Amino acid sequence: GAVVSQHPSRVICKSGTSVKIECRSLDFQATTMFWYRQFPKQSLMLMATSNEGSKATYEQGVEKDKFLINHASLTLSTLTVTSAHPEDSSFYICSARGDRTSSYEQYFGPGTRLTVT
Amino acid sequence: DAKTTQPPSMDCAEGRAANLPCNHSTISGNEYVYWYRQIHSQGPQYIIHGLKNNETNEMASLIITEDRKSSTLILPHATLRDTAVYYCIVYNTDKLIFGTGTRLQVFP
Repeated sequence: GAVVSQHPSRVICKSGTSVKIECRSLDFQATTMFWYRQFPKQSLMLMATSNEGSKATYEQGVEKDKFLINHASLTLSTLTVTSAHPEDSSFYICSARGDRTSSYEQYFGPGTRLTVT
Repeated sequence: DAKTTQPPSMDCAEGRAANLPCNHSTISGNEYVYWYRQIHSQGPQYIIHGLKNNETNEMASLIITEDRKSSTLILPHATLRDTAVYYCIVYNTDKLIFGTGTRLQVFP
């Protein structure tokens, strides 16, 4: 299957700082990328959907000014957690999907574990 | 909201077939049934998907009932590495919404 990478795999930051997570599709062009969050022992929760070159669409209850998403190219999307607080500590997972002519399934990255101290 | 119902947990002996059921009684005609699994602290892994016919690939088989209201994922020879949370998702190529899944424990 297609490969999606995330960087970093884990990050620790101080409360009040911002942290950026990168998501890359390595062997296909991702017209759509998705960002999920997962708390311990819970399922994945979709945060937002982004199409290349467009503004992200956020799910209800997700603060768009806090979780900044940029999808500037067909292989890269970034999630920036601004002014992070301990309650933002979570496992963040991105997913990428190609267009209908290529890889239309959603493929997931390995996740980024964020710890805010 | 998730449109599927799965048992919260199942056990399976190594080498035996693991049959994971899923109910999706409100599925509509253009929605696919997708299965993903998530091994601890990793991103979800795509397994298989189908619309109305049974499907098989190198990982698993998917059996969908004729009325499409339920399906079963079959891992023919479970190994310890198949221990994971398995998610059944009804998907209309919009976005994947995860339910709580089935935690499959394969034991020696």
